[in-house]
Amino acid sequence: KAGVTQTPRYLIKTRGQQVTLSCSPISGHRSVSWYQQTPGQGLQFLFEYFSETQRNKGNFPGRFSGRQFSNSRSEMNVSTLELGDSALYLCASSLSGATNEKLFFGSGTQLSVL
Amino acid sequence: GENVEQHPSTLSVQEGDSAVIKCTYSDSASNYFPWYKQELGKRPQLIIDIRSNVGEKKDQRIAVTLNKTAKHFSLHITETQPEDSAVYFCAQRGGSYIPTFGRGTSLIVHP
Repeated sequence: KAGVTQTPRYLIKTRGQQVTLSCSPISGHRSVSWYQQTPGQGLQFLFEYFSETQRNKGNFPGRFSGRQFSNSRSEMNVSTLELGDSALYLCASSLSGATNEKLFFGSGTQLSVL
Repeated sequence: GENVEQHPSTLSVQEGDSAVIKCTYSDSASNYFPWYKQELGKRPQLIIDIRSNVGEKKDQRIAVTLNKTAKHFSLHITETQPEDSAVYFCAQRGGSYIPTFGRGTSLIVHP
């Protein structure tokens, strides 16, 4: 069974640009969640999608948005990039998103904002 | 929001020693406590988890203990090996969907 796949692996952007990251969950998993990982703040929850609906949202500005498609693949968009958005963005999938389910992480997209 | 404190931030041991990492949480509704291992440049991988109805769980050289009264849980690695070197994260989930992670412990196992 293929794991969680994230593309691209690396991205370099400049301030003010926007970026779209993609996440393909494990086959059969319907919940996809996104996280920002930085050395200073650690792993922080961005949002979670289930059945094409955003079900939970973390404490990030509206510049961070996402969506989920009918095949459970998810995209995350960051508009008007800031230097502080440089981070590793991870997505994770689980069967239904229940709180006691195991999360399976992708390898992440390393975003650098110059 | 919910908080998870993890200690120590860095742990250096000799091969064969034991390593213990501790996390403290604040949400009394938390009922699921996973631990992740993240090697440099790689994805976080679940190594062991425990649910609130259990006090201890073991898997070969790794064990996790949970004290719900004191709201803390710990990861124990025995007979450490150089390949155990990585960053370890604790997390909690429960009352709210949103998982909260500890800041991570960098474990260094010296051969």
